[in-house]
Amino acid sequence: KNQVEQSPQSLIILEGKNCTLQCNYTVSPFSNLRWYKQDTGRGPVSLTIMTFSENTKSNGRYTATLDADTKQSSLHITASQLSDSASYICVVSDNAGNMLTFGGGTRLMVKP
Amino acid sequence: DTEVTQTPKHLVMGMTNKKSLKCEQHMGHRAMYWYKQKAKKPPELMFVYSYEKLSINESVPSRFSPECPNSSLLNLHLHALQPEDSALYLCASTPGGGIYNEQFFGPGTRLTVL
Repeated sequence: KNQVEQSPQSLIILEGKNCTLQCNYTVSPFSNLRWYKQDTGRGPVSLTIMTFSENTKSNGRYTATLDADTKQSSLHITASQLSDSASYICVVSDNAGNMLTFGGGTRLMVKP
Repeated sequence: DTEVTQTPKHLVMGMTNKKSLKCEQHMGHRAMYWYKQKAKKPPELMFVYSYEKLSINESVPSRFSPECPNSSLLNLHLHALQPEDSALYLCASTPGGGIYNEQFFGPGTRLTVL
């Protein structure tokens, strides 16, 4: 069964600090891995999308890494801001690209 | 236009009411999706339409009835819902193919069933 597990479930950090969120997956066959940011009560917004041949991808203060051998990904947030408070969801797509397996998300709270 | 829009933003309905959720995209995407998301949980896939035809129904109760009138529009008709159906309903779309088959999500409709 395809699974995506994220850790930690929740995280509180001070504004300006860095943090790293983890994602492990067992989806097969693998097509791509995405990180989404979801504000409470809103739809997810894509941060990065990576295929198996990509090791790292950045989007501003967000940097995602992918190790297709160990089936692990991380999302690193640099110099956190209050607006980074949200749920971060790791999503893995199968070969067809239409079926997504969602992780449980990490709820990040950035405090002043 | 690079977004998915959903209406209404909020909906409160009784268990005997009939209502509809609407989703629209003008990006030329050929696949559209309905998801249900409970608080602090990831989205759960309900339906997938591919080229205006229902391709996936994840064993959703018949009180939820999807409709795809054209390639830009996706509706979800609601009838005789239960309080446990209260959730955020998300619509998404994808170009329909290719390895970078990124899903674009709408802002969601917050549904409350009384």
